[in-house]
Amino acid sequence: QQKVQQSPESLSVPEGGMASFNCTSSDRNFQYFWWYRQHSGEGPKALMSIFSDGDKKEGRFTAHLNKASLHVSLHIRDSQPSDSALYFCAAQANYGNEKITFGAGTKLTIKP
Amino acid sequence: DTTVKQNPRYKLARVGKPVNLICSQTMNHDTMYWYQKKPNQAPKLLLFYYDKILNREADTFEKFQSSRPNNSFCSLYIGSAGLEYSAMYLCASSRLGGYYAEQFFGPGTRLTVL
Repeated sequence: QQKVQQSPESLSVPEGGMASFNCTSSDRNFQYFWWYRQHSGEGPKALMSIFSDGDKKEGRFTAHLNKASLHVSLHIRDSQPSDSALYFCAAQANYGNEKITFGAGTKLTIKP
Repeated sequence: DTTVKQNPRYKLARVGKPVNLICSQTMNHDTMYWYQKKPNQAPKLLLFYYDKILNREADTFEKFQSSRPNNSFCSLYIGSAGLEYSAMYLCASSRLGGYYAEQFFGPGTRLTVL
């Protein structure tokens, strides 16, 4: 079983709308989370990290982490066509580790 | 410059033949990673170098080799390609041994084995 589960698999949002993604870890050691975004033809690029409980906001992007449930979410407000991409959740162990474990991703399509 | 470069971008290989993929970075990062990405699957870590120390994942230990002749370059070597090796191969680098540090990815090499 995948240690990092993402939902939904795909999402379509109208331009200007809110896009929301979910991610859950099945390993209690994984308490540090990243969100990466991959546009077609490019490699993944880190959007933001979240290591503490609560919300973290960076521009139009807000991440929320609940360590008790090992659940992290990402919300994009005022979605733009350029936000169309594959979004990966990635988790890192709390004991300090060079490795991160990715989820399978959510494909976001912004409809003009 | 936060660029990670990969060569080639596309590679066609025959079953049973070797494959060598190249990655380079100019950020002086101490850690370099190789991932395998198949459609609708999570990127799977194959191996990584911390400085000159190679760490290979247990389930891919015998399938992939790698070398890091200097800080900037890292290769991924497949001795005998099989159909199951067809995938996108992503190289990434990070600093501080990757501990809670962002990984910077290259654009990937798409390998097709026929």
